[in-house]
Amino acid sequence: GEDVEQSLFLSVREGDSSVINCTYTDSSSTYLYWYKQEPGAGLQLLTYIFSNMDMKQDQRLTVLLNKKDKHLSLRIADTQTGDSAIYFCAERWTSNTGKLIFGQGTTLQVKP
Amino acid sequence: ETGVTQTPRHLVMGMTNKKSLKCEQHLGHNAMYWYKQSAKKPLELMFVYSLEERVENNSVPSRFSPECPNSSHLFLHLHTLQPEDSALYLCASSQRFANTEAFFGQGTRLTVV
Repeated sequence: GEDVEQSLFLSVREGDSSVINCTYTDSSSTYLYWYKQEPGAGLQLLTYIFSNMDMKQDQRLTVLLNKKDKHLSLRIADTQTGDSAIYFCAERWTSNTGKLIFGQGTTLQVKP
Repeated sequence: ETGVTQTPRHLVMGMTNKKSLKCEQHLGHNAMYWYKQSAKKPLELMFVYSLEERVENNSVPSRFSPECPNSSHLFLHLHTLQPEDSALYLCASSQRFANTEAFFGQGTRLTVV
């Protein structure tokens, strides 16, 4: 079935690293995504990783993919108060319609 | 700015009203999507249009009626909605046959009273 799971809440102090975890079900997913949603806004693509990669780094963001365990994580280094938002993990379903299956989102709270 | 524009940003409607949500993209994409985001639930895919043809309908009630007149525009026509239909409705677009990301609009916050 289609299922992407995330923990619902994470609280960190400014300057610390944040790690948001996600598990997915479709082992043949080709792309996995991280989206950010700030209050009252739509979804902003942060980064994505192709399924034949283990890691992708983009400035403060590091994505780790464990395909065997179907586990994806997003690490934000030096977390800032502006990083406070909801973070969604999504997998691209193997149909050719480009359908994305989203997790429930992890609310990241960054304390000064 | 993602290149996907939704209007209106906010909408309050009564249960007997008829209204439409509009989505526009000028990214040259050939697939467009409607998602529903309710509180405490994952984003739910409602409809997928590819090359202006509906290719997926995820058991959405008929009070929601999509329309895709061309590859740049997508509408969601609403009639006789229920209070539980109150949600953020997000439009997205992508290149259907390319494994690239979907770009989302900022959404329409719908409240049914």
